[in-house]
Amino acid sequence: NAGVMQNPRHLVRRRGQEARLRCSPMKGHSHVYWYRQLPEEGLKFMVYLQKENIIDESGMPKERFSAEFPKEGPSILRIQQVVRGDSAAYFCASLAGTGGAEQYFGPGTRLTVT
Amino acid sequence: GENVEQHPSTLSVQEGDSAVIKCTYSDSASNYFPWYKQELGKRPQLIIDIRSNVGEKKDQRIAVTLNKTAKHFSLHITETQPEDSAVYFCAASISGQNFVFGPGTRLSVLP
Repeated sequence: NAGVMQNPRHLVRRRGQEARLRCSPMKGHSHVYWYRQLPEEGLKFMVYLQKENIIDESGMPKERFSAEFPKEGPSILRIQQVVRGDSAAYFCASLAGTGGAEQYFGPGTRLTVT
Repeated sequence: GENVEQHPSTLSVQEGDSAVIKCTYSDSASNYFPWYKQELGKRPQLIIDIRSNVGEKKDQRIAVTLNKTAKHFSLHITETQPEDSAVYFCAASISGQNFVFGPGTRLSVLP
């Protein structure tokens, strides 16, 4: 799981700014999940992506949040016009997709909105 | 949709004793059940998993059991050590999609 990379590890934004979180999956993995974790709480599913395709975005707020996983480059979770309630740890996890069910987590991005 | 419950929310055991964490799920189509350990400030790490065609799986001091009829699965840690102290999450998935996590159990192993 050390192969899943996320950056930045810590991100501070003022209310109203944009946050862009990046996730590079493990080599050979073509599927990515994004989760949000509030302090002392569990992992909440946000979005599930395959390269160039959003498979399930039912856990992601329809306003201000978007995600992509282009053919080349990392998956990006974008939060526009951040509010204090967006402060959380955002984890991505990758899995091979076809046949494999094991997902491996990145180190997370801790977003703080001031 | 799937709903995963997890109990207890906190658990304290003496070093050397066993710890058991239980989860229930609602969607009978779920067929993959991983367990994750998360230490403070760290990423969740997969520690063991079980698929619906198996009733029990063991890896050293860690074992997981699955009862498909009752829709519940449990994590068993034997001979607990202080480094087992962490938050443990169960999850249910349908073939690697639609992961739903339980709320977590904070395990404290007392020396």
